Amino acid sequence: AQSVTQLGSHVSVSEGALVLLRCNYSSSVPPYLFWYVQYPNQGLQLLLKYTSAATLVKGINGFEAEFKKSETSFHLTKPSAHMSDAAEYFCAVENTGFQKLVFGTGTRLLVSP
Amino acid sequence: DADVTQTPRNRITKTGKRIMLECSQTKGHDRMYWYRQDPGLGLRLIYYSFDVKDINKGEISDGYSVSRQAQAKFSLSLESAIPNQTALYFCATRGTSGSTDTQYFGPGTRLTVL
Repeated sequence: AQSVTQLGSHVSVSEGALVLLRCNYSSSVPPYLFWYVQYPNQGLQLLLKYTSAATLVKGINGFEAEFKKSETSFHLTKPSAHMSDAAEYFCAVENTGFQKLVFGTGTRLLVSP
Repeated sequence: DADVTQTPRNRITKTGKRIMLECSQTKGHDRMYWYRQDPGLGLRLIYYSFDVKDINKGEISDGYSVSRQAQAKFSLSLESAIPNQTALYFCATRGTSGSTDTQYFGPGTRLTVL
């Protein structure tokens, strides 16, 4: 069964610092991987997705993620954090047949001035 | 207007009551999903439907039922609500264009069972 693990339930950074949110996946077949963001009192918004076209995926709001098969990782990064990036971030894997998403437990990003 | 809408947005109910959460979409997608979100647990799939006649249980379907009234409408029911069903519930839709599609989420319904 496919699964994802997000390391760190909370990550704190200063404004302007590098953002790194970690996600490792488990899948017996090439996975489709996603990062979603949830701002307070809102639904989930797609940040970016990996579908095997390119290992470095660029998303919205300056975020990007790199698929590393050897490390089974799909970490999310942003060079310089903004206060508006404070939110909860979810990594997810989609099963073959594009039927279901399996989510990680989420990482809350805190950005301080 | 939003593509995926959920009603109500907030609901407080009592133990033992029957409650229905509704989801409507204007994206024309065949696939619809219900998830619940709990702090520290992420989102977990309750039920999903690939068309009006195809409904499937997710990983946590006990205590819930669903109805797909039309392509655009997918309702989640709690027959007899209990406090541990207090959570944030999300509806989502997905098209069938393989990897070019993704799931789109509604704004959520915050349910409190007293």
